[in-house]
Parts: sequence; C-alpha cells; structure tokens
Amino acid sequence: AQSVTQLGSHVSVSEGALVLLRCNYSSSVPPYLFWYVQYPNQGLQLLLKYTSAATLVKGINGFEAEFKKSETSFHLTKPSAHMSDAAEYFCAVRVAGNMLTFGGGTRLMVKP
Amino acid sequence: ETGVTQTPRHLVMGMTNKKSLKCEQHLGHNAMYWYKQSAKKPLELMFVYNFKEQTENNSVPSRFSPECPNSSHLFLHLHTLQPEDSALYLCASSQDKVETQYFGPGTRLLVL
Repeated sequence: AQSVTQLGSHVSVSEGALVLLRCNYSSSVPPYLFWYVQYPNQGLQLLLKYTSAATLVKGINGFEAEFKKSETSFHLTKPSAHMSDAAEYFCAVRVAGNMLTFGGGTRLMVKP
Repeated sequence: ETGVTQTPRHLVMGMTNKKSLKCEQHLGHNAMYWYKQSAKKPLELMFVYNFKEQTENNSVPSRFSPECPNSSHLFLHLHTLQPEDSALYLCASSQDKVETQYFGPGTRLLVL
C-alpha cells in the first residue's frame, strides 16, 4: 500500500522568504513522487516529478524537491517566495501498477 | 484548444435534475480519470478509463455514471444527486495509466 502525508495544512511565509512544504510518503517499493499546484478556481498543474533519476528535481517557477529515501521524504522548496506562489500544493505518490495517491494538500499564503 | 478542457466550469442543479459533465483532452493520451475534490478532504479518484475501457471504479454511487466514447472524451452523467455531492470535479488524462497525469480546470458543482 502507498500513502502520502503533508505536514501542515496551512503555511504562511513573507515575500522573499524560503518556502518549505513537507511531504512524507509510505511505500514498500520505490515510488514515483509528484508535486502539483492548484491556483484558485483552477485544476492541478504539475510542478515537478521524481522518477528514480536524480534525487534533486527542479520544477517550474523556481521550485525544487529532494527525494530522501532514508527519511521517506520529498519536501518542496523555493528560495524566495513571490506573491504569485500563493496556492494549494499537493504531493502525490505512485508505485508500479497503482494509481496516484494524493496528500491532503498544503495551502501556501505569502504575506507582503 | 490545448491540454485538458472541461465544461461547464460551474453548474448548479437540484436533486431531481439530470446533467452531464464533459471532459476533452487534446494530448493524444489513452487514459482518462474523474476525481472529486471536496473541501477538507483529499482528492478522491472516482473512475479510470484506459483505451475507452473502465478499469477502476472506486465504490462510487450509481448516481454518478461515466461514459468514455473515445480516448479523447470523457463524460460524467449525474442524476438524483445529494447536497454532499457538491464539489469540484476534476478530469485528468495520461499516456497509459503509469504516466504523468494532466488535469483540466474542473467543474464546480453545487447541488441544492
């Protein structure tokens, strides 16, 4: 079975500050991991994905995530938050033959 | 049109109405999905179609009836819905079930 947990349903940062959104997964076999972003009144947009190549994955809009097997984590980071980053972020996991399983989401708020 | 489109974007219906949601993908994919996104709940996978054949039905009530006439179109027929069915319904597609899913903007449904 696979599962994913996002720590913190709401995260607030100041503009220009580091963004860190946490994701931990549970899987008995090597997973594929994804981060999606959802802006208000829109669908989910793929930010980045890990598919067993490089452990540090760079995505769109300056975001990146690092796969850490020993910690079963795939945290999302961005060095400097921008107001336009305010959205909901979803971590998702998939193992071979299974469907995507999504975390509960983290709403990122960016203060001016 | 590019990507995954959904119509209508908003829908209000009474519990005795019958309506349909439409999804169209312009990516040449062969797998399509319906998800339900409710407030304070993780994304719920409802149905999966692969090459027009339904391969997953996650215990969805029969008042939701999917239809996939070809690999590019997916419908969700709705009848005698309940207020708790109010949610954002998201469509997604992928090249085979194992590849990255791309989402449409969703249909915001309100059942009165």
